[in-house]
Amino acid sequence: RKEVEQDPGPFNVPEGATVAFNCTYSNSASQSFFWYRQDCRKEPKLLMSVYSSGNEDGRFTAQLNRASQYISLLIRDSKLSDSATYLCVVIYTGGGNKLTFGTGTQLKVEL
Amino acid sequence: EPEVTQTPSHQVTQMGQEVILRCVPISNHLYFYWYRQILGQKVEFLVSFYNNEISEKSEIFDDQFSVERPDGSNFTLKIRSTKLEDSAMYFCASSGEGGNTQYFGPGTRLTVL
Repeated sequence: RKEVEQDPGPFNVPEGATVAFNCTYSNSASQSFFWYRQDCRKEPKLLMSVYSSGNEDGRFTAQLNRASQYISLLIRDSKLSDSATYLCVVIYTGGGNKLTFGTGTQLKVEL
Repeated sequence: EPEVTQTPSHQVTQMGQEVILRCVPISNHLYFYWYRQILGQKVEFLVSFYNNEISEKSEIFDDQFSVERPDGSNFTLKIRSTKLEDSAMYFCASSGEGGNTQYFGPGTRLTVL
């Protein structure tokens, strides 16, 4: 079983739509969770950390369900500039600061 | 805004040659990392470095690989004898105290012919 699993997409949505991505992780001893965004052939960029209580940053909302080992990202009012691959990332307890990446979910926002 | 920089942006080499990839982490950061991404695949951890020594490394990081912080600013990844399968994007990252939030450089695309 993959350590961090994501639907690869692509998700094609019209501008202004709300879109949600899901991610599951296999190791219950996980301590930190993130969403990164990666544009084509570019470096991953931190979008937001994910906290147990859920957190919001503008149009982006992240949720964590430790019991189900499930993380989500919701993007409201999608913009063309949101088109990218969204990477679910986990740090496991005892894994130092090693980031474990999912394969990513591709989002295409269209006019 | 401070950022991680990497050179070169693209390196082409012949199989069996040695390459050195260079990174300048964010200046007050304490933890340094190398990751790689083979085209079309996920980002994979290679190695982490703290207090002038390797703190963790993956199975990928075998004897062909080494890291060094030769001075107060640079962090390098050396591949001693490159193989075709080493062709990938190599990302350097750094993080500050606590270590969790990592910032990535723009990457070096390594092509082994």
